[in-house]
This record gives sequence, C-alpha cells and structure tokens, in this order.
Amino acid sequence: KNQVEQSPQSLIILEGKNCTLQCNYTVSPFSNLRWYKQDTGRGPVSLTIMTFSENTKSNGRYTATLDADTKQSSLHITASQLSDSASYICVVSEFTDKLIFGTGTRLQVFP
Amino acid sequence: DADVTQTPRNRITKTGKRIMLECSQTKGHDRMYWYRQDPGLGLQLIYYSFDVKDINKGEISDGYSVSRQAQAKFSLSLESAIPNQTALYFCATSDRTGNEQFFGPGTRLTVL
Repeated sequence: KNQVEQSPQSLIILEGKNCTLQCNYTVSPFSNLRWYKQDTGRGPVSLTIMTFSENTKSNGRYTATLDADTKQSSLHITASQLSDSASYICVVSEFTDKLIFGTGTRLQVFP
Repeated sequence: DADVTQTPRNRITKTGKRIMLECSQTKGHDRMYWYRQDPGLGLQLIYYSFDVKDINKGEISDGYSVSRQAQAKFSLSLESAIPNQTALYFCATSDRTGNEQFFGPGTRLTVL
C-alpha cells in the first residue's frame, strides 16, 4: 500500500531557530512531491512542488529536498517566525494524479 | 475575495439529517475535489470531478454523493448523516495539469 509517513509528529522550537521536517514515502512510481502548510482551521496552502528529477526547491525561508532513490524528502525552515506555527503536510502524487497525504508535522514556534 | 469558498464554515446537525456542503471557485479550474480530514489522519479523497460531466469516487465515497452544477460549483451531500462523519471537509480545485491543488477554508461538520 502506498504510504507517506512524516516525522516528527510535533515539534516545538524557539523563534529564530532552524528546523527540518522529514517525509518518507513508498509511492512508486510517483509524479511529484508537494509540501503544504496548513494553519489551524484553514485549508492547506502549497509551499513547494518537486518532480522526481528535482533535488531541491526553495520558497523564501522554506527549502524542500528530495532523494528519489531513498524515497525521502525534507522541508527545512530557516530563521523560524511565529507565523510558521502550523501543520506541514507532505503529499506524493501517483502518476494517476491520485494524491497520497501524510498525516503532517505540527510545528509550534515560541518567542 | 477568496478563490475557493465553502459554505457553511461550521455546521452542527443530528444523526439521520441530510446535509449539503457547497463549494464555489473563481479560478476557472476544470478539476474539483472533496476531501475530509480527521485528527491524526491525512486528508482522504471523497469524490472528484474533472469537468461538469465527470464524477468519480475517491477512497471513502460511501455515505456521500456529489453534484457538479457548473464548472465553478461542486456540492457534497450526506444523505443521512452519522456521527463518524464528523470531520473537517475541504474542497479543492486544480487546472488540467493537476500539478497544484488550491484548497478552500474548510467546513467543520459535527454530527450528534
């Protein structure tokens, strides 16, 4: 069964610190891998989308990496801000366009 | 104005009642989707539509039905609501590439 697993489930960091969120998947073959940010009570918002041939993609302070050989992705957040407090969801797209969602990492940034 | 809107944003209902959740989009996208989100689980696809005449079941369609009234409108119905349908429901849209989905703000449904 195709799965997407994220770690850690939750993370607390201090404002200004960096952090890295992990995503491991078993989806194969896959079309692309996405990272979404979901604020509490809101819909997910796309941060990055990477195809299997891309290794890294940045969006401001967010940098996603992808290793298609080991089926791992990470999302690195630099110089965290209070507004980064949210859930971060890794999503892998099969070639059929079906999306497999991870359960997310809940990040809390404290001052 | 938001590109993808959902109504209502919150709804409390009783077991056995019929409920309709509505979704509208101004992005001009052909594809629309309905998902539900439960605590501790990833979003699960209920139904999706690639155009007005196309309706497809997702992973968890039992107990739900949909209607694509126009390119911009996609409604989700619960014919006879049950408590385990209590969840957060999201509508999403994408263009024909399907490369990126844009989500609405969600509807929090509670079935007592």
